[in-house]
Amino acid sequence: ETGVTQSPTHLIKTRGQQVTLRCSSQSGHNTVSWYQQALGQGPQFIFQYYREEENGRGNFPPRFSGLQFPNYSSELNVNALELDDSALYLCASSRVNTEAFFGQGTRLTVV
Amino acid sequence: DAKTTQPPSMDCAEGRAANLPCNHSTISGNEYVYWYRQIHSQGPQYIIHGLKNNETNEMASLIITEDRKSSTLILPHATLRDTAVYYCIVRVEYAQGAQKLVFGQGTRLTINP
Repeated sequence: ETGVTQSPTHLIKTRGQQVTLRCSSQSGHNTVSWYQQALGQGPQFIFQYYREEENGRGNFPPRFSGLQFPNYSSELNVNALELDDSALYLCASSRVNTEAFFGQGTRLTVV
Repeated sequence: DAKTTQPPSMDCAEGRAANLPCNHSTISGNEYVYWYRQIHSQGPQYIIHGLKNNETNEMASLIITEDRKSSTLILPHATLRDTAVYYCIVRVEYAQGAQKLVFGQGTRLTINP
């Protein structure tokens, strides 16, 4: 157990819909990162939040957006879902410049 | 793009030491090497990390070559529960105080009874 919890664990959405995924950080961690893992691939960095601000982004379009709240929990929002968005979405929390701990992920299926 | 290269798969006998190699020839001076593992599409589990010195914790040892172009993760006494995909990762600092983990394809390690 890492203390990082994600919800929901699984969900199915229809192409074109919007989805919100949630992450609760480990206590004392002020940085949250989101990763997308397609089947059979390593996780790919989406973006990172620190003190409620996005401070870095990977190669993902603007329809991927996020929030970090004062308690350091976070949301990942994806608009206009596409079939290729089907993946395991991982949240990781850390303190600055320390190791990141991952949640169990949310399995998103877009049909 | 991934900054690490790992063999796609390895086997090891239960009770023996598992040695997982990783090449990171383009690593920069301030970039750390991290190892995580992932079991059955659960979230990646942190194992160990290092900059240039060898490191050891309760899970594993990390040996980094002097030129920092490669490293080896050692699981001293592998058990069946160590069967997983092992990722060697370079932590890249892309802005002041902001880092990301750049994953490659990983090594699928199978521990055999």
